[in-house]
Amino acid sequence: EADIYQTPRYLVIGTGKKITLECSQTMGHDKMYWYQQDPGMELHLIHYSYGVNSTEKGDLSSESTVSRIRTEHFPLTLESARPSHTSQYLCASSGGLRVDEQYFGPGTRLTVT
Amino acid sequence: GNSVTQMEGPVTLSEEAFLTINCTYTATGYPSLFWYVQYPGEGLQLLLKATKADDKGSNKGFEATYRKETTSFHLEKGSVQVSDSAVYFCALSSFGNEKLTFGTGTRLTIIP
Repeated sequence: EADIYQTPRYLVIGTGKKITLECSQTMGHDKMYWYQQDPGMELHLIHYSYGVNSTEKGDLSSESTVSRIRTEHFPLTLESARPSHTSQYLCASSGGLRVDEQYFGPGTRLTVT
Repeated sequence: GNSVTQMEGPVTLSEEAFLTINCTYTATGYPSLFWYVQYPGEGLQLLLKATKADDKGSNKGFEATYRKETTSFHLEKGSVQVSDSAVYFCALSSFGNEKLTFGTGTRLTIIP
């Protein structure tokens, strides 16, 4: 069973606040990903990392930033939340022998009022 | 570039009906193909995969066959249950690039 965790699961916050969405995995995977999922269900890759100190922007432009200081931890930060950031954020990781399989966390549903 | 075209939903079926969700792809080289499932309030889970032409992936009564000649990976199940209600995503990854390209998702609802 995959061990990838996201906190908080739900967050309601006011405009202008700084927020950090946490993502941790205990599988020792090198690669980690952040996806934004819109209400229509479509998934958009917004950030990824292929290892410690490696971060890249994904296919969808995002005002969020990420860091990868430890293998197991890949937090996403929004410096100033806006209503347009309201969405579901999914974290995933891959690695080991099944490098092409991604394991997903349960997601954080963010609402910015 | 890579792309995945997935059958639009929502799809509503009665329990024990036969399910097909169509998926076709465009990719360079020989991609790996996946079906992921997302149950309400959860993240995505890998349902099945196939890594080369004519491979059949199967899990939980679902199956899909990698058809290179038609660039398709249709998901099928012979008899669906209420517990199969979820959103299903077709996806691919290319050799050497582990980023997944997803379809838009198909919401499946099974009624008793």
